[in-house]
Amino acid sequence: KAGVTQTPRYLIKTRGQQVTLSCSPISGHRSVSWYQQTPGQGLQFLFEYFSETQRNKGNFPGRFSGRQFSNSRSEMNVSTLELGDSALYLCASSPRDGNSPLHFGNGTRLTVT
Amino acid sequence: AQKVTQAQTEISVVEKEDVTLDCVYETRDTTYYLFWYKQPPSGELVFLIRRNSFDEQNEISGRYSWNFQKSTSSFNFTITASQVVDSAVYFCALRAPDTGKLIFGQGTTLQVKP
Repeated sequence: KAGVTQTPRYLIKTRGQQVTLSCSPISGHRSVSWYQQTPGQGLQFLFEYFSETQRNKGNFPGRFSGRQFSNSRSEMNVSTLELGDSALYLCASSPRDGNSPLHFGNGTRLTVT
Repeated sequence: AQKVTQAQTEISVVEKEDVTLDCVYETRDTTYYLFWYKQPPSGELVFLIRRNSFDEQNEISGRYSWNFQKSTSSFNFTITASQVVDSAVYFCALRAPDTGKLIFGQGTTLQVKP
């Protein structure tokens, strides 16, 4: 099976712009989660989608949003970018039974200047 | 509240040494799942091992072993005969049932020197 695919791998944006990141889960996985990784805050949960519905949400401002399509692919959007949004954004997929591990993609490295 | 603590920020060992990474967790759930992930410089989080809360049997898988003790809320991970390729950041994580949300520790950077 192909792994979790995230595009693009790298992005450079300017403050105030918006950005959309894409994630294709492992075939058959219906749950997609997003995480932000920064040196200061570590790995933090953004949100989870399951069957096109947001099931869980972390403590991030409304500028961070996402959606999931019927084929389980997911997109994450950040509007009005701030310097502090510079981070590695990781997507993970799983079958969503509790014992199954999350499988992560290579991430998208976002730099905001 | 759920929390995962990895007290060791950085560990440096010489190749072939055994190394244990510590993890302490907090949760009020009676059912939960614990994981260890490895993050090499490439950035991808690689799943290593998992344990659920109702199974305290400790296991060995190749050079990896883990010690889960519910009484002390610890889930320690040992690499036997470390190799240079084991150099990476290791994360312990906690997951509640029926959720894709992982609570990660701050990570332990392991450097294995030749």
